[in-house]
Amino acid sequence: AQSVSQHNHHVILSEAASLELGCNYSYGGTVNLFWYVQYPGQHLQLLLKYFSGDPLVKGIKGFEAEFIKSKFSFNLRKPSVQWSDTAEYFCAVNAHDMRFGAGTRLTVKP
Amino acid sequence: DAGVIQSPRHEVTEMGQEVTLRCKLISGHNSLFWYRQTMMRGLELLIYFNNNVPIDDSGMPEDRFSAKMPNASFSTLKIQPSEPRDSAVYFCASSPRTGRTEAFFGQGTRLTVV
Repeated sequence: AQSVSQHNHHVILSEAASLELGCNYSYGGTVNLFWYVQYPGQHLQLLLKYFSGDPLVKGIKGFEAEFIKSKFSFNLRKPSVQWSDTAEYFCAVNAHDMRFGAGTRLTVKP
Repeated sequence: DAGVIQSPRHEVTEMGQEVTLRCKLISGHNSLFWYRQTMMRGLELLIYFNNNVPIDDSGMPEDRFSAKMPNASFSTLKIQPSEPRDSAVYFCASSPRTGRTEAFFGQGTRLTVV
């Protein structure tokens, strides 16, 4: 079965700082990759997804992620974070079912 | 479409009682996932169904947990008997088909077992 690793448990940034959250997966076949965001007290919402084609995908709210097949990675980036980006971020892999990483809590200080 | 609907939103129950969590899929979706979220263990996949058939229940913690899909649009997750360590937020998610699409999440059920 596929598995997902997120390297950072908790990231603290100041507003306007750049963000990169790491995600690696283990699965030898074709996968679909996702980043979800969970704002405090809410359910998971899709930020962006990769199925095929251009490995650099853009999502909502200025987020983007790059799929690097050779590294089995799908890191999430944002050039300039805002206080409202404070949330938990989950990387997910869907080969047969949807598996999530442990999540990274992002705190953005105003 | 109203999205994935879970009920109840909050449940407080005493240890030993039976708890039933409910989920209504988005119309037309045929894959259904149950997840449990805790601080300690993060987001765990408990079980998933495809076309009403359980495909993988290896994430179900123990025999006290059971899940069913009596029809294409509805699922239940039952815990009997419940224990304090079952306290968590339980999410249901559905997708149009397994493997190639994202999952759409319900609002979750926050379960507290005292």
